[in-house]
Amino acid sequence: DTAVSQTPKYLVTQMGNDKSIKCEQNLGHDTMYWYKQDSKKFLKIMFSYNNKELIINETVPNRFSPKSPDKAHLNLHINSLELGDSAVYFCASSHQGSPLHFGNGTRLTVT
Amino acid sequence: QQQVKQSPQSLIVQKGGISIINCAYENTAFDYFPWYQQFPGKGPALLIAIRPDVSEKKEGRFTISFNKSAKQFSLHIMDSQPGDSATYFCAAASNTGKLIFGQGTTLQVKP
Repeated sequence: DTAVSQTPKYLVTQMGNDKSIKCEQNLGHDTMYWYKQDSKKFLKIMFSYNNKELIINETVPNRFSPKSPDKAHLNLHINSLELGDSAVYFCASSHQGSPLHFGNGTRLTVT
Repeated sequence: QQQVKQSPQSLIVQKGGISIINCAYENTAFDYFPWYQQFPGKGPALLIAIRPDVSEKKEGRFTISFNKSAKQFSLHIMDSQPGDSATYFCAAASNTGKLIFGQGTTLQVKP
């Protein structure tokens, strides 16, 4: 009964490939996020969706495309992967200003 | 531009001691200041949060001190325990809902 679940937990792929990370929340929250945590543990917001509508889009390469089929899901698709994309990607959700609930992350390694 | 600056980067404390982590922010529009705790392989989890209308908030061994005029806030962990060893992030948000994180502090509590 994990509140925010991400799959896969680990993703190892080669440069140039396209990959997706899935996220689902069962908390009934209306807002979902993607955060990137780099090797120095710095957390930076990438995107935010509210009821399937994009509301925050930070300066992220357009190789990254979020997709929200419904308000319980927010997937992240990455095209033409680069070495610098290696990081841990966290999905999170919140509801009407409530604290963010994070998933346990997807560690992406690009070789 | 780092809107939330956190220090120290790492901290070693003896069991039973007090751990103190400091944060400073620049944007006066911020009105919500949470602290998150992250264990290895897990996502960040909300520890305690404060709004600028109070100068201190205490929950168990964890206390946030807030200085609005100095634009600074800090986390105090009293009677630190080895189980408190984790990475701690301060954060700040305005009514846009976008949470800006500090750089993180890795705390090690020695038995």
